[in-house]
Amino acid sequence: AQSVAQPEDQVNVAEGNPLTVKCTYSVSGNPYLFWYVQYPNRGLQFLLKYITGDNLVKGSYGFEAEFNKSQTSFHLKKPSALVSDSALYFCAVRQSGSGGYQKVTFGTGTKLQVIP
Amino acid sequence: GAVVSQHPSWVICKSGTSVKIECRSLDFQATTMFWYRQFPKQSLMLMATSNEGSKATYEQGVEKDKFLINHASLTLSTLTVTSAHPEDSSFYICSARAGTGSLYEQYFGPGTRLTVT
Repeated sequence: AQSVAQPEDQVNVAEGNPLTVKCTYSVSGNPYLFWYVQYPNRGLQFLLKYITGDNLVKGSYGFEAEFNKSQTSFHLKKPSALVSDSALYFCAVRQSGSGGYQKVTFGTGTKLQVIP
Repeated sequence: GAVVSQHPSWVICKSGTSVKIECRSLDFQATTMFWYRQFPKQSLMLMATSNEGSKATYEQGVEKDKFLINHASLTLSTLTVTSAHPEDSSFYICSARAGTGSLYEQYFGPGTRLTVT
């Protein structure tokens, strides 16, 4: 069974400092990896994904994530945090496959708090 | 980008009544839609997968007679919570699949907050 672990319930970072939100995964075969952001009482917004190719993936709002196969990690990063980045972040994984639907598994979420 | 809407955004109902939540893909056709439930400070739990024109596939532990899902068209899926009880209070999020094959995208609706009194 596939799984996603987000080891930190909350991450606090000062505005302007770099931020990292951690994610590790377990899946059979090659993974498709995603990061989503959720603001209070809102649905999920897509940030970025890794399917194949370059291990460093750039996404929306200046976020990026690095796929590390040996460590089975896909940490989310941003060079300079903004107060408006404060939200709940979800990492997700699904198994790559030819056709059909592969179930997406979400992590438990990490609350990012950017302190002014 | 693709947009998914949900209606209503929030609803309060009395125990024993039924509530219908709509999920629409506004600018694309979605052969597959997903319904998730999110408890406070928890992750999304997949409840069911619905395919246009066929019966929904429910995840283990989800009562199909309580959570009725209909996917009558390529742009609309509905979730009806029947005989709602306070424990059904939650945030319900739908998602629509765009594209085919293995490189499909999932787009999420803004969610519906259900409170059962």
